[in-house]
Amino acid sequence: QITLKESGPTLVQPTQTLTLTCTFSGFSLSTTGVSVGWIRQPPGKALECLALIYWDDDKRYSPSLKSRLTITKDTSKNQVVLTMTSMDPVDTATYYCAHMAPGEGFDPWGQGTLVTVSS
Amino acid sequence: QSVLTQPPSASGTPGQRVTISCSGSSSNIGSNTVNWYQQLPGTAPKLLIYSNHQRPSGVPDRFSGSKSGTSASLAISGLQSEDEADYYCAAWDDSLNGYVFGTGTKVTVL
Repeated sequence: QITLKESGPTLVQPTQTLTLTCTFSGFSLSTTGVSVGWIRQPPGKALECLALIYWDDDKRYSPSLKSRLTITKDTSKNQVVLTMTSMDPVDTATYYCAHMAPGEGFDPWGQGTLVTVSS
Repeated sequence: QSVLTQPPSASGTPGQRVTISCSGSSSNIGSNTVNWYQQLPGTAPKLLIYSNHQRPSGVPDRFSGSKSGTSASLAISGLQSEDEADYYCAAWDDSLNGYVFGTGTKVTVL
């Protein structure tokens, strides 16, 4: 059974850097084709894929946020870390991490963590 | 903003068939497979359909997906009260080199 869980601060001040950790079990991020992604959802709004990291350390970023994002993995710890710099109140959202098998969609998802950007 | 366009809302009475459209372009739906997600109120999204029409284990066959050209559709037949949720289409976009979601459709069971 695959599970993922997001952890990190619930409140971030404007201009600060956000660091979120996705801790997973039930699969290995060294298995060919597997990836983990970060997706966010502002309150009442649509989903937005921020970044993906693949088993071979290939990375993909949202073009509009690429300059602010870094995604890394620690295969030995079964963790994926997302950092987002220069946080702004518009970045207030629920942040999810999710597993993706080759040729399939994001499945399953973590429970999500609400991050509020406010002074 | 999203490059995949969905109607903001759809509704039906129990037992009816509801269809949700997803409009894209040649760089996303036109050249890649489409996935659909269901998000029940207050919960994380769940994969409903992958590779245009495949259902993950446990998804009722009331849910079906299709794709034609640069558009895709999700159909819910025999609508039930527990189907009241937000639905999102998604696909890889070759131009953006990223995974994009649709604008989302809220399904209401009348």
